[in-house]
Amino acid sequence: SYVLTQPPSVSVAPGKTARITCGGNNIGSKSVHWYQQKPGQAPVLVIYYDSDRPSGIPERFSGSNSGNTATLTISRVEAGDEADYYCQVWDSSSDRWVFGGGTKLTVL
Amino acid sequence: EVQLVESGGGLVQPGGSLRLSCAASGFTFSSYEMNWVRQAPGKGLEWVSYISSSGSTIYYADSVKGRFTISRDNAKNSLYLQMNSLRAEDTAVYYCARVLRVGATGWFDPWGQGTLVTVSS
Repeated sequence: SYVLTQPPSVSVAPGKTARITCGGNNIGSKSVHWYQQKPGQAPVLVIYYDSDRPSGIPERFSGSNSGNTATLTISRVEAGDEADYYCQVWDSSSDRWVFGGGTKLTVL
Repeated sequence: EVQLVESGGGLVQPGGSLRLSCAASGFTFSSYEMNWVRQAPGKGLEWVSYISSSGSTIYYADSVKGRFTISRDNAKNSLYLQMNSLRAEDTAVYYCARVLRVGATGWFDPWGQGTLVTVSS
């Protein structure tokens, strides 16, 4: 089955740029989606189709996908961005959605 | 406003059964594919099951196949998850989520607030 690998944690100072990676075999051939989950809340979509932002998501959130790595980039990080972030793809070979293990973003 | 509201969670003994419901509002439910996703305490997201808009296509994660059954009632704008032979490892918050698509790819938006299922004696 297809596996997505994320770093368990990323730390960044306020105002800096955070990059959260999602690794998978030839993930660049798939479409990657990203979710933000704050404690006690349901996940919220922040990036879909590799790099598109839903309405209401700040332009500070962007995504890219190439080769074996997809990346969620958060520019000018704010304290309110502190959350868990999950990547997701559709694995057509097994007819199932797959989530990465999640990355906890800490704002220092 | 598009909204999904889960219900039916609770405490159940190992080997027991539970039926979760997800009430949809604010959109044409019958036009959308739906999913169940769960999250064990302190753990990450795990996709559980998918159902097409008509109910004709269904997929399950290996961890629940043969024990869980997804269904929907488009007339009642509702999604269901029948969970049988429950195990301690099924303890989790269960979310329902709508699928949005472009071509062959799909993502989940929105998600419900979740309902907690605890399997314990």
